[in-house]
Amino acid sequence: KAGVTQTPRYLIKTRGQQVTLSCSPISGHRSVSWYQQTPGQGLQFLFEYFSETQRNKGNFPGRFSGRQFSNSRSEMNVSTLELGDSALYLCASSQPTSDGELFFGEGSRLTVL
Amino acid sequence: DAKTTQPPSMDCAEGRAANLPCNHSTISGNEYVYWYRQIHSQGPQYIIHGLKNNETNEMASLIITEDRKSSTLILPHATLRDTAVYYCIVRVGGGNNRLAFGKGNQVVVIP
Repeated sequence: KAGVTQTPRYLIKTRGQQVTLSCSPISGHRSVSWYQQTPGQGLQFLFEYFSETQRNKGNFPGRFSGRQFSNSRSEMNVSTLELGDSALYLCASSQPTSDGELFFGEGSRLTVL
Repeated sequence: DAKTTQPPSMDCAEGRAANLPCNHSTISGNEYVYWYRQIHSQGPQYIIHGLKNNETNEMASLIITEDRKSSTLILPHATLRDTAVYYCIVRVGGGNNRLAFGKGNQVVVIP
């Protein structure tokens, strides 16, 4: 079956703009998590959605937000972009079981100029 | 979640077994040990996980010590395609998908 699909794969924005990234989970997966990866901070958890509700949130400012739709697809938004927001943004989906493994997409690479 | 400690990097010979250590001395009874790897510029890939017992799948084996304070991931016959950053993570069960990845272990398989 198809894996986790993230769009767009690459994008370039300028400071002050906003960006929306999309994630389509594996069919049947209802949990979607988002991570930010930078060379300095590594992989950091942003937030997790399950059944259209945010059930976990990492330590990121309010400029980072997300949502999940009834079909489990998810979007994340970053407003008022800063240079430090340049990163690989990864989405992962999973079954809502007690030890369900996460399946990651290839990521969206954001460059802020 | 409990923190893990891994060596920052290691080399291993192609065709030989690669043993990747991980310390998780503060692990709780309900925390699983997970291993993921990330090949350059790709999303992390799940390898294996376990709670108490040793586990094996088509990719690797996971050996967890009896006191659960450390574990070893074994790649039985390392290939060049196994060159990646390997992450050892401990995670509470119950569907919590907030993973703390740490810096991982950069494994380079040498021909």
